[in-house]
Amino acid sequence: AQTVTQSQPEMSVQEAETVTLSCTYDTSENNYYLFWYKQPPSRQMILVIRQEAYKQQNATENRFSVNFQKAAKSFSLKISDSQLGDTAMYFCAFMNLRGDGATNKLIFGTGTLLAVQP
Amino acid sequence: SAVISQKPSRDICQRGTSLTIQCQVDSQVTMMFWYRQQPGQSLTLIATANQGSEATYESGFVIDKFPISRPNLTFSTLTVSNMSPEDSSIYLCSVGGTPNGYTFGSGTRLTVV
Repeated sequence: AQTVTQSQPEMSVQEAETVTLSCTYDTSENNYYLFWYKQPPSRQMILVIRQEAYKQQNATENRFSVNFQKAAKSFSLKISDSQLGDTAMYFCAFMNLRGDGATNKLIFGTGTLLAVQP
Repeated sequence: SAVISQKPSRDICQRGTSLTIQCQVDSQVTMMFWYRQQPGQSLTLIATANQGSEATYESGFVIDKFPISRPNLTFSTLTVSNMSPEDSSIYLCSVGGTPNGYTFGSGTRLTVV
């Protein structure tokens, strides 16, 4: 069974600085997707970034980038130039690709609560 | 990506009663997912709902407690039955998949008193 581990329950960063959130996962599969989701106090789940396992290039979305290490099964999120609006719970998630290409379920880590300090 | 309307956004219910949560999607989707997020916890999948077939429940969740309907490709309901305080959680529906990721409803915050 796949598992996702986030070892940092809480983190804090000063506004405009850079922070890295850690995520490791365990799977015997070769084809899968990894995601980072953000959940602010409004509780809306917002997709931050996604990574296809077959792509060696790390995904980037504006101030958000990942360091994907497939052999180490590591998928960290770097937030550059942190903003107050980045304060939220961040969840790492894994999805195994089905052979028929159909949608599969997400498996979430326990989350990291990030506080951006002014 | 799809837009999901989930309601109610919150409710306070008496123990022993039931609450039905609705999710309406603005496009047709094959699979819908229902998650539970207990206070301060991560999201746990309750079940996967396909149109025209019985929902598939994850370990620890049963149909009698969480009956699901999926009458068409844009709508689903989750009922939390015979509620107890331990059912107090946020319940979220979700649709989607690769390559655009998943879209979530805004969640239903349930408090059982």
